[in-house]
Amino acid sequence: AQSVTQLDSQVPVFEEAPVELRCNYSSSVSVYLFWYVQYPNQGLQLLLKYLSGSTLVKGINGFEAEFNKSQTSFHLRKPSVHISDTAEYFCAVSEMNNNDMRFGAGTRLTVKP
Amino acid sequence: DAGVTQSPTHLIKTRGQQVTLRCSPKSGHDTVSWYQQALGQGPQFIFQYYEEEERQRGNFPDRFSGHQFPNYSSELNVNALLLGDSALYLCASSSDRVSSYNEQFFGPGTRLTVL
Repeated sequence: AQSVTQLDSQVPVFEEAPVELRCNYSSSVSVYLFWYVQYPNQGLQLLLKYLSGSTLVKGINGFEAEFNKSQTSFHLRKPSVHISDTAEYFCAVSEMNNNDMRFGAGTRLTVKP
Repeated sequence: DAGVTQSPTHLIKTRGQQVTLRCSPKSGHDTVSWYQQALGQGPQFIFQYYEEEERQRGNFPDRFSGHQFPNYSSELNVNALLLGDSALYLCASSSDRVSSYNEQFFGPGTRLTVL
């Protein structure tokens, strides 16, 4: 079965600095990959997804991610973060024809002024 | 469009009790999935309902059961509650009719506390 590892549980960064949140996955078949954001006391909001095609995926709020099949990674990046980006970020993987989406443990991004 | 709605927002129960959580999917969606998110962890897939039947199930005991109604809304039932069942329960809806990939839209969740 597929699995996800988020390599950093917490990432502190100053406002307007770049950030990268790391995600590695494991699966024996083709997968779909996702990044979600969760603000306090809220559900999950989809930031971006990789289904097929171009390995560089652009999402909402200026985020982007790159799918690297050889390294089984899907790292999330933003060139300049804002205070409002402070939230929990989850990487998730779903195997084709499998409704069981697996999530990582999350990365807490804290943007400091 | 109201999006995915869940009720109640918060719930407090004691060990051994039973609980029912409710979910209304986004307009146009026919598939509902339930997830458990323990504190400090990512969501874990409980099961998915489609056409009023459980289509797929994660690694959860039979104490967790569900139902989907003809209007596509869904309930999650948990019997014989344990302290470890305390978590945020998330509902997500999607549409099988849109494409081969079914994007899931999440509700705000129900926070269950078991004392």
